[in-house]
Amino acid sequence: RKEVEQDPGPFNVPEGATVAFNCTYSNSASQSFFWYRQDCRKEPKLLMSVYSSGNEDGRFTAQLNRASQYISLLIRDSKLSDSATYLCVVVSGGYQKVTFGTGTKLQVIP
Amino acid sequence: EAQVTQNPRYLITVTGKKLTVTCSQNMNHEYMSWYRQDPGLGLRQIYYSMNVEVTDKGDVPEGYKVSRKEKRNFPLILESPSPNQTSLYFCASSLYWTNEKLFFGSGTQLSVL
Repeated sequence: RKEVEQDPGPFNVPEGATVAFNCTYSNSASQSFFWYRQDCRKEPKLLMSVYSSGNEDGRFTAQLNRASQYISLLIRDSKLSDSATYLCVVVSGGYQKVTFGTGTKLQVIP
Repeated sequence: EAQVTQNPRYLITVTGKKLTVTCSQNMNHEYMSWYRQDPGLGLRQIYYSMNVEVTDKGDVPEGYKVSRKEKRNFPLILESPSPNQTSLYFCASSLYWTNEKLFFGSGTQLSVL
C-alpha cells in the first residue's frame, strides 16, 4: 500500500461546479498535512494547510479525518484557472519525512 | 524578492559525466531538500538538510550526493549519472524543519542519455 494515495483523475468539471478530492495516508503518526497545487511541470505551490478542525480559504475547504486517515479538499464554484494538479502532502517527524501523493488532475471546462 | 533559485532549468548529459544542479535560497531558511518527480510516482524526497553541515537521506538517495556548507546553498551532485536519473528535479526550502510551508525552485529537467 502506498504511503499516500490519491485518485489521479482527471476530474473534468464544468465551470461553477463543486468538486472534492480525497487523499488517504497510511502512517497514523503523521503530523502535518497540506494541499499543494502544481501547474503543468512547474513548481508546486502551497494551496493550504489542513487542520483537524477544518479550514477554509475562499472557495477552498480542507478537512482532516485522523480516525480514517484521510484528508479532503473541496473546491466550490470552480474557475477555469483552477485547472491544475492537486498534490496531497503528508509530513511526519518535522520535515524529516515528507511524502507527496501522485496528484489529482483537475480540468475545469467552459 | 524572496525565492529559491535552481540552475540549470534544462540539462542534457551523457551517462557517467558528473554534474551538479545548484540550489540557492535568499530567505535565511534552515531546512532545504531535493525531490525528483516522475510520471505516476509523484515527488519523492532525495535528500534533506536541517541546517548547515546537517544532511540526511530521503526515500531515493542512491546515486546522489548533497552538501550544505552554507545556509543558502544546497547543491545536488550526480557523480555518475545514469539514464534512470532522467527526471524533473525540484529544490525546496522552509524556515525551520518543523512543518512549515515549502518554497520550491522552478525545477530542473534532466535528461541522461
